[in-house]
Amino acid sequence: AQKITQTQPGMFVQEKEAVTLDCTYDTSDPSYGLFWYKQPSSGEMIFLIYQGSYDQQNATEGRYSLNFQKARKSANLVISASQLGDSAMYFCAMRGNNNAGNMLTFGGGTRLMVKP
Amino acid sequence: EADIYQTPRYLVIGTGKKITLECSQTMGHDKMYWYQQDPGMELHLIHYSYGVNSTEKGDLSSESTVSRIRTEHFPLTLESARPSHTSQYLCASRDRANYGYTFGSGTRLTVV
Repeated sequence: AQKITQTQPGMFVQEKEAVTLDCTYDTSDPSYGLFWYKQPSSGEMIFLIYQGSYDQQNATEGRYSLNFQKARKSANLVISASQLGDSAMYFCAMRGNNNAGNMLTFGGGTRLMVKP
Repeated sequence: EADIYQTPRYLVIGTGKKITLECSQTMGHDKMYWYQQDPGMELHLIHYSYGVNSTEKGDLSSESTVSRIRTEHFPLTLESARPSHTSQYLCASRDRANYGYTFGSGTRLTVV
């Protein structure tokens, strides 16, 4: 069984500062993928970044980077230079290759609030 | 620009009514999924499909049903809505060759 844990229900960050959102995972699959999604109050899920379990380098996408520590089973999201528009829920998710349908398993989310 | 469409965006309906939530994608993806999400909470998989004529139940038990008669269309039906069905329902699809998942904008259902 796969499990994603996000231990920070809510976080505040000052505008223009960097913030790290934590994510730990548990799986028995040797091959898996890790995702981060942003969900604003409007409800849609916006894909931010992806890390494959065999990727040697940490993924980066603009202001987003993923701090992947495989031995610790963690995949933290780092947002640099926070903006007011970054205020939203953030979900970490994992896709295993052996689960039925290759479904995504989600963590409980972190609500990020950016202060002006 | 959305390649996966969900309608309606919002729905308020009385107890006992039959409803169908629509989900359509224009990308030719084989795999499609329905997730249920209560406000501020995690997403739970309720149904998925490998392709035409394939439907499976997800981890979270749901009284809803789905069908997949065409690749692009994956509707979800509740035969008799109840207040406990009040939630957001998100549809997603995935390309066989691509790691990415595309989500629709969701349907926020309120049963009164």
